[in-house]
Amino acid sequence: GAVVSQHPSWVICKSGTSVKIECRSLDFQATTMFWYRQFPKQSLMLMATSNEGSKATYEQGVEKDKFLINHASLTLSTLTVTSAHPEDSSFYICSAIGQKSGTEAFFGQGTRLTVV
Amino acid sequence: AQSVTQPDIHITVSEGASLELRCNYSYGATPYLFWYVQSPGQGLQLLLKYFSGDTLVQGIKGFEAEFKRSQSSFNLRKPSVHWSDAAEYFCAVGAQGSYIPTFGRGTSLIVHP
Repeated sequence: GAVVSQHPSWVICKSGTSVKIECRSLDFQATTMFWYRQFPKQSLMLMATSNEGSKATYEQGVEKDKFLINHASLTLSTLTVTSAHPEDSSFYICSAIGQKSGTEAFFGQGTRLTVV
Repeated sequence: AQSVTQPDIHITVSEGASLELRCNYSYGATPYLFWYVQSPGQGLQLLLKYFSGDTLVQGIKGFEAEFKRSQSSFNLRKPSVHWSDAAEYFCAVGAQGSYIPTFGRGTSLIVHP
């Protein structure tokens, strides 16, 4: 199957700073990428959908100014958590689809963000 | 709107025993159905999916699932569980043509030696 990689796998940042998470499709061109947030022992909640070269579409209740998403190329999408606070601590997962992925979205390994 | 119910938060089985994880969905038309597995601190790996055709779907790692339209269910089964199967399992439902499934809350599988 297709490979999606996230970087970093985990990050600790100070409250008030910003942190960037990368999602890369390694062996296919991802026309669309999805960003999810997962709280401990809970399911995945879709945050936003990003299409290459256009603005991301955010789900209701997700602050677009806080969670900046950029999908500048067909292999890279980034999620920037701005002015992070402890309540932003979570597990963030991306998934991607493209011509190679067919009818399936492929998931990255996730990024554990801890804000102290 | 579609929804998924995984009624069991935790399931504990002995190694070598059979396993069935329950999943019920709500969707107005024929759904796309998925089972994913997540190991601690990891992303999701697709175990199997149902789009159409044979209602008994074979997946990776010896898993299978059966789509029962009359019961709105898509239960995951494995005849003999291995210790390495301990993980979180998510059932998901999606609209046909959609790549954004709705996930259940997950079932944590604990395997005793």
